[in-house]
Amino acid sequence: GENVEQHPSTLSVQEGDSAVIKCTYSDSASNYFPWYKQELGKRPQLIIDIRSNVGEKKDQRIAVTLNKTAKHFSLHITETQPEDSAVYFCAASYDMRFGAGTRLTVKP
Amino acid sequence: EAGVVQSPRYKIIEKKQPVAFWCNPISGHNTLYWYRQNLGQGPELLIRYENEEAVDDSQLPKDRFSAERLKGVDSTLKIQPAELGDSAVYLCASSLDDSDTQYFGPGTRLTVL
Repeated sequence: GENVEQHPSTLSVQEGDSAVIKCTYSDSASNYFPWYKQELGKRPQLIIDIRSNVGEKKDQRIAVTLNKTAKHFSLHITETQPEDSAVYFCAASYDMRFGAGTRLTVKP
Repeated sequence: EAGVVQSPRYKIIEKKQPVAFWCNPISGHNTLYWYRQNLGQGPELLIRYENEEAVDDSQLPKDRFSAERLKGVDSTLKIQPAELGDSAVYLCASSLDDSDTQYFGPGTRLTVL
């Protein structure tokens, strides 16, 4: 089955800085890669996703890049704000496996 | 449009008791997922349905867990008997089809004493 690894497990940045979270996957059959944000005690919420026919996708301060050859994809958050603080999960569509999560803390 | 509905939101039981969770997906969504999320970890897929067919249940502990999705709409996940290690949040999600955006329900927080 699919194996998704996510790094780093924790990330602390100053407000206004950028944050990057990386994931690798193992199964080349995966063709859909969503990113979820989960605040404490709440459900995961989709923030951005990318399909394997696209190399990059951007939505305001959030972007995702995909390298199919290397089997990795990354989440980029620019101009971080305190409300970006949460746990972020990546996932890969084959078997729908999730990464272990990254706890992002944005310090004001 | 109503989102994914789950009930109950919280459940506390003693070990060896049975428990059941219910999920109503977004109308028209063919794919339904049950996940288990332990504290500090990512969601772990338990079972995936395409309409009423379970197409991926490889991670479901079949000795004590069972699930059904009658008529391809609502779904029930059951644990019998529950063990201490089953304490977790059980999340239901649905999507139009696989490899499409998943929408999660609020989850059921299970505590086994």
